[in-house]
Amino acid sequence: QLQLQESGPGLVKPSETLSLTCTVSGGSISSTYNYWGWIRQPPGKGLEWIGTIYYSGSTYYNPSLRSRVTISIDTSKNQFSLKLSSVTATDTAVYYCARHGGGGGSYFVLGYWGQGTLVTVSS
Amino acid sequence: EIVLTQSPGTLSLSLGERATLSCRASQSLSSSYLAWYQQKPGQSPRLLMYGASSRATGIPDRFSGSGSGTDFTLTISRLEPEDFAVYYCQHYGSSLWTFGQGTKVEIK
Repeated sequence: QLQLQESGPGLVKPSETLSLTCTVSGGSISSTYNYWGWIRQPPGKGLEWIGTIYYSGSTYYNPSLRSRVTISIDTSKNQFSLKLSSVTATDTAVYYCARHGGGGGSYFVLGYWGQGTLVTVSS
Repeated sequence: EIVLTQSPGTLSLSLGERATLSCRASQSLSSSYLAWYQQKPGQSPRLLMYGASSRATGIPDRFSGSGSGTDFTLTISRLEPEDFAVYYCQHYGSSLWTFGQGTKVEIK
């Protein structure tokens, strides 16, 4: 069964770079046609898609975050990562990693989610 | 960029009642790319529906989806205790994935 687990610092200082890793188990991150995404949720608020990486390395970013976001993939470790630069308090959120597809749907849905990790931006 | 607006913000209903949740798009979209998710407190979102009206694997048939163009609906025919949660619609288009702001279904 596919499982995703986010990891990284829970506290980041303003103006620094937030870095998170998602470790995938129960399946290969480089399997053909797989898309892997990052989504965040500020406390008490809704979901915001951050970006997605295709197994081949192609990336797609939310236009509102594009200038600060980098998503990469490490097939040797079965991981993909998120970097968000120049963070402010408004970047405080639970960050989820997810795999597109699953549940019967295709790449246009997010069928597998990690449990999420809270990242707080504060000095 | 398509904006999804969900209504109402909160729906207060009793067990066994019917819940009707709305998702309105700022422009017409393909129903093939409209999905719904359920999120319970402290949990990750779970895929409920895709293609506007297809239930994801393991989703009970009291959940149904409909709609086309700019107006989409998620219906829960008879609310069970485990259905009280927040529901989000989501759209894919032009290599962008967009969520609505959510509707909370709470116990009346």
